[in-house]
Order: sequence, then C-alpha cells, then structure tokens
Amino acid sequence: KNQVEQSPQSLIILEGKNCTLQCNYTVSPFSNLRWYKQDTGRGPVSLTIMTFSENTKSNGRYTATLDADTKQSSLHITASQLSDSASYICVVSAGTNAGKSTFGDGTTLTVKP
Amino acid sequence: ETGVTQTPRHLVMGMTNKKSLKCEQHLGHNAMYWYKQSAKKPLELMFVYSLEERVENNSVPSRFSPECPNSSHLFLHLHTLQPEDSALYLCASSQDHWGNQPQHFGDGTRLSIL
Repeated sequence: KNQVEQSPQSLIILEGKNCTLQCNYTVSPFSNLRWYKQDTGRGPVSLTIMTFSENTKSNGRYTATLDADTKQSSLHITASQLSDSASYICVVSAGTNAGKSTFGDGTTLTVKP
Repeated sequence: ETGVTQTPRHLVMGMTNKKSLKCEQHLGHNAMYWYKQSAKKPLELMFVYSLEERVENNSVPSRFSPECPNSSHLFLHLHTLQPEDSALYLCASSQDHWGNQPQHFGDGTRLSIL
C-alpha cells in the first residue's frame, strides 16, 4: 500500500531559527514529490516539485531534498518568519497520473516571536 | 488571488438539502480536481477531470455528483449528505492531469452538515 509519513506531527520554533521537516514514503512507482504549504483557512500552495533525478530544489527560504534510494525527503526552512506558521504537506505521485498521488498528514509548524 | 475561486466559502445544510459547490479557475489549465479535507486526516482525492472528461473517481458515494461543463468550471452537487461529510472541500487545477505539474488550490468551501 502506498504511504507517506511526515514527521514531526507538530513543531514550535522561535522566529529566526531554522527547521527541517521530514517525509518518508513507500509509493511505487515514483513519479514526483511535492511539498505544499497550507495556511489556516486557505488552500495549499505549491512550494517545490521534484522528480526522480532531482535531489534538491529551492524556493526562497525553503529548500527541499530528495533521496530516492532511501525514499526520504526533507523540507528545510531557513531564518523562519511568523508567516511560516502553517501546515506543510508532502505529496508523492505514483506513475503518470495525478490521481495516483498519496498525501501525508502534514506537519503543523508554529513560529513564535 | 490564487487563480482558483471557490464559492461559497462556508455552507451549512441539513441532511435532506440539495446544494452545489462551485469552482472556477482562471489559469488556462486543462485538469481540475475535487478534494475532501477532514480534521486530522490527509487530503482525499474525490474526482479528477481532464478537458471536461472524468478520468478518476475514487469510490466516492453517489450523494456527491461532480459536473465539469468546461475546462474552467467545476461543480460538486450535494444531495442527502451525512454528518461525516462535514469537511473542507478543496478544488484544484493543473496544466494536465499527469501529475508532473503543481496543482493550484482554491481556498475551499467549509461544509457543515446538521
């Protein structure tokens, strides 16, 4: 069964600090892995999308890594800001059909002043 | 402005009511999706449309009926819902449905079933 597990479930950090969120998956065949940010009361917003051949991708202060051998991904947030408080969702697509995507439960990040 | 607009933002309905959720995308995308997001659960894909044709139906109860009259509009018709159907319903669109392009989400309709 295809699964995506995210850790930690929730995280609290101080403004200005860095943090790393984890995503482990057992999806096969692998097509791509996406990270989304979802603010409270809003829809998810795409941060990065990585295919099998990519092992790192950045979007401003967000850097995602992918290890296709160990089936792990991480999302690193640098110099956190209060606006980074949100849920971060990892999504892995199998094959070549978006309908075959598996969503993680998300990590809730709270950035405190 | 996300490019994907959902209305209404909030909806309260009784179990015997009939209502419809509307989604409109202004991005020129060819694929549109309905998702259900319940508290403390991952997003659940309900339906996928590509160029107005349904390409995915993930065992969704018949009380949910999608309609895609053109590539810019997507509806979810609701009838005789159950309390467990209370959730956030998200619409999304992407360039195609092959999964290699990011999906753009609306802000959802918060549905409450009395």
